[in-house]
Amino acid sequence: AQSVAQPEDQVNVAEGNPLTVKCTYSVSGNPYLFWYVQYPNRGLQFLLKYITGDNLVKGSYGFEAEFNKSQTSFHLKKPSALVSDSALYFCAVRDETNDYKLSFGAGTTVTVRA
Amino acid sequence: EPEVTQTPSHQVTQMGQEVILRCVPISNHLYFYWYRQILGQKVEFLVSFYNNEISEKSEIFDDQFSVERPDGSNFTLKIRSTKLEDSAMYFCASSLGQGMNEKLFFGSGTQLSVL
Repeated sequence: AQSVAQPEDQVNVAEGNPLTVKCTYSVSGNPYLFWYVQYPNRGLQFLLKYITGDNLVKGSYGFEAEFNKSQTSFHLKKPSALVSDSALYFCAVRDETNDYKLSFGAGTTVTVRA
Repeated sequence: EPEVTQTPSHQVTQMGQEVILRCVPISNHLYFYWYRQILGQKVEFLVSFYNNEISEKSEIFDDQFSVERPDGSNFTLKIRSTKLEDSAMYFCASSLGQGMNEKLFFGSGTQLSVL
């Protein structure tokens, strides 16, 4: 079985401050981890993924995420948030033995205030 | 960047009616998916489709649901007899590959309301 938890429904930060969106996962085998972002009236957009290799993954729009196997976490980070980063963020996981199905977290609403 | 297109953006139907949700995946993609999100709940996997057949489906995807790629461009989700609990945002997605190369491109969704 595979699952994802996003413990925070909402994250509020001031523009220019660091942004962190938390994600923990559970899989049977090795995880493939993803972050997607959803802007209002838009579909989910891919931000970044971790498959193997370097634990720090860099993605779109200045975002990065760190894979931590011991803590089963894959937190999304951005050193300096922008107002335009305000959106709904989803973490997703797929077990290496599962070819097709992504399991999503419940989502975290990020609000960046000017 | 290429986009996945979904129509309609909103669909209202009466319980028991059939609905067809339409999607145009990215043209060179080979794998197609439907996900849904009931209001306030997680995005849930429904089905994946490759080489003109279902490759995986969830327990949600029962006999009331079907998918079809009727031509080279469209990918449809049919719900034969809608129930109130089918009300959700339905997302279509496509990808060029699967496994490690998987990067899903999602449409903007169809909001289905069953009355």
